[in-house]
Amino acid sequence: DAKTTQPPSMDCAEGRAANLPCNHSTISGNEYVYWYRQIHSQGPQYIIHGLKNNETNEMASLIITEDRKSSTLILPHATLRDTAVYYCIVSLRSNDYKLSFGAGTTVTVRA
Amino acid sequence: DAGVIQSPRHEVTEMGQEVTLRCKPISGHDYLFWYRQTMMRGLELLIYFNNNVPIDDSGMPEDRFSAKMPNASFSTLKIQPSEPRDSAVYFCASSLPPGSQETQYFGPGTRLLVL
Repeated sequence: DAKTTQPPSMDCAEGRAANLPCNHSTISGNEYVYWYRQIHSQGPQYIIHGLKNNETNEMASLIITEDRKSSTLILPHATLRDTAVYYCIVSLRSNDYKLSFGAGTTVTVRA
Repeated sequence: DAGVIQSPRHEVTEMGQEVTLRCKPISGHDYLFWYRQTMMRGLELLIYFNNNVPIDDSGMPEDRFSAKMPNASFSTLKIQPSEPRDSAVYFCASSLPPGSQETQYFGPGTRLLVL
């Protein structure tokens, strides 16, 4: 699986958009970009995933660059409950898929 | 649905003792994953099952660790004998097959402390 690079931490003001970058320059054509988050003392939670088109759901938006070497997770209106570690993961979507979690980005939303 | 259920939520044991962690996946999910999380190594996949069959156990650290899935609604992760370095949070996750739904649903974890 391709590796990802994320900033170790970032702060965000409550009510503002949080833009979380992820670099995955070695991504292959059939690998998807997944985002999970882990709130303190809980198990990871799926947020969103995509292949090459931008995606949006009730939690977030995912913007993938045209060359697919990087992506940005956007939390449109961050709340204090969005404080968590956010993981960007690149993985094959095949009959058997595994998620390889890196260090992630610790996002702190401040009032 | 109650989600993925893990028990116990906390376990404190002494070195050398056997530890058994339990997981009940979400009903209908074909895949079950066991992860371990430590400060030093982060979140690591230990083993995963498809339709109760172990598919990849390359992440299992050593022979002291074993995992079973006797039926679709139950899995165990056993450590025998336990060592202090096994102290970690162990997560179980389940999912539908890739292509049908992409989400792995994680349980609340079991916090293991080996003294």
